[in-house]
Amino acid sequence: AQSVTQPDIHITVSEGASLELRCNYSYGATPYLFWYVQSPGQGLQLLLKYFSGDTLVQGIKGFEAEFKRSQSSFNLRKPSVHWSDAAEYFCAVGTGANNLFFGTGTRLTVIP
Amino acid sequence: DGGITQSPKYLFRKEGQNVTLSCEQNLNHDAMYWYRQDPGQGLRLIYYSQIVNDFQKGDIAEGYSVSREKKESFPLTVTSAQKNPTAFYLCASSQLGQGIWSPLHFGNGTRLTVT
Repeated sequence: AQSVTQPDIHITVSEGASLELRCNYSYGATPYLFWYVQSPGQGLQLLLKYFSGDTLVQGIKGFEAEFKRSQSSFNLRKPSVHWSDAAEYFCAVGTGANNLFFGTGTRLTVIP
Repeated sequence: DGGITQSPKYLFRKEGQNVTLSCEQNLNHDAMYWYRQDPGQGLRLIYYSQIVNDFQKGDIAEGYSVSREKKESFPLTVTSAQKNPTAFYLCASSQLGQGIWSPLHFGNGTRLTVT
């Protein structure tokens, strides 16, 4: 069965600092991997996705993620965080039925 | 602009009443989904539909019902059998195609409070 683990419930970073959000997955086949962002009271917006090919994928808002098969990880990174990046971030794995299985999320706080 | 519209944004009901949440999309997507979001639990799939007049249960379908009479509409009914209905409900849609995995597009959600 598939599963997604986001080990950090809450992360606080200073504006301008670098960011890495962790995601580990378990899935029997080649995974389709996603990162979504959610602002309070809003829906989810797709940041980036990995289907195949280059293991470093670029997304919107300056985010990138690296797929590491040997570690079953898909960590999200940003070199310099902006105050507007404060939100909740969800990692997800796509299954064969075109469904998404989500992690429990990481809440990001950005301090000035 | 194409998108997914969920209404209302906030909904209040008394315990024991059924309530229907609306979800409409104009993206011409084949598949539609309902997720429930609770603090600290991420999103859990309630129901999904890949074609009109057909739908499948997700991980937490008990106490919910859906219909898919039109491609663009996928309403969710929270019945009185749902033991803990207070939550944030998200509707999503995606395109389907052979060999294509299409990311989900989400609406802005409906927050349901049952007292």
